[in-house]
Amino acid sequence: QEQLVESGGGVVQPGGSLRLSCAASGFTFSNFGMHWVRQAPGKGLEWVAVIWYDGTKKYHRDSVKGRFTISRDNSKNTLYLEMNSLRVEDTATYYCARDKTSTTGESCFDPWGQGTLVTVSS
Amino acid sequence: SYELTQPPSVSVSPGQTARITCSGDALPKKYAYWYQQKSGQAPVLVIYEDIKRPSGIPERFSGSSSGAMATLTISGAQVEDEGVYYCYSIDSDGLHRVFGGGTQLTVL
Repeated sequence: QEQLVESGGGVVQPGGSLRLSCAASGFTFSNFGMHWVRQAPGKGLEWVAVIWYDGTKKYHRDSVKGRFTISRDNSKNTLYLEMNSLRVEDTATYYCARDKTSTTGESCFDPWGQGTLVTVSS
Repeated sequence: SYELTQPPSVSVSPGQTARITCSGDALPKKYAYWYQQKSGQAPVLVIYEDIKRPSGIPERFSGSSSGAMATLTISGAQVEDEGVYYCYSIDSDGLHRVFGGGTQLTVL
């Protein structure tokens, strides 16, 4: 079945770096755009970044631009999120999710992985 | 910045109909999507493109949209439907992907 498994979360000090991975299986990874979505403890969902199926286009939310970079390796069926200059407010569970695009070009996220927790604290 | 507004909580008795609303200026032109998140779990898509139900989602879940408001309806809500429901959409320029603040559904 289609599955997304995140890894790489942990505790890091402010200003530090972390790389998250998302391993995909059960579908043709190279055919789909992919997203990262995060959720701070006890808070709502927040979209972070998207990458096109072939990696040619990437978009990040304003608050992480210049600090986070989404990437992918289609030969390894793996999505990444490189996070630098981490801030306390980046503390969250980070989910990877597959893009689901409509005929109008609008898209959503389905399915999601189980998430990996990133804690930024001194 | 673009915002989607949901009520913080909705409470119904088992078997009753639960309605959760989502308002946003771009909804007349953009699709609404709905996610269910149970405690400690990842979100699950329950409605997409305003009214469509993914395979495996019970028929009691339905969606509608009129003007600047989208509505998720759970007809005959069950205890297992408890959780937080998020609407999602994009702004009129298609540049900002936004979730609503979430609605805690209680069925008891």
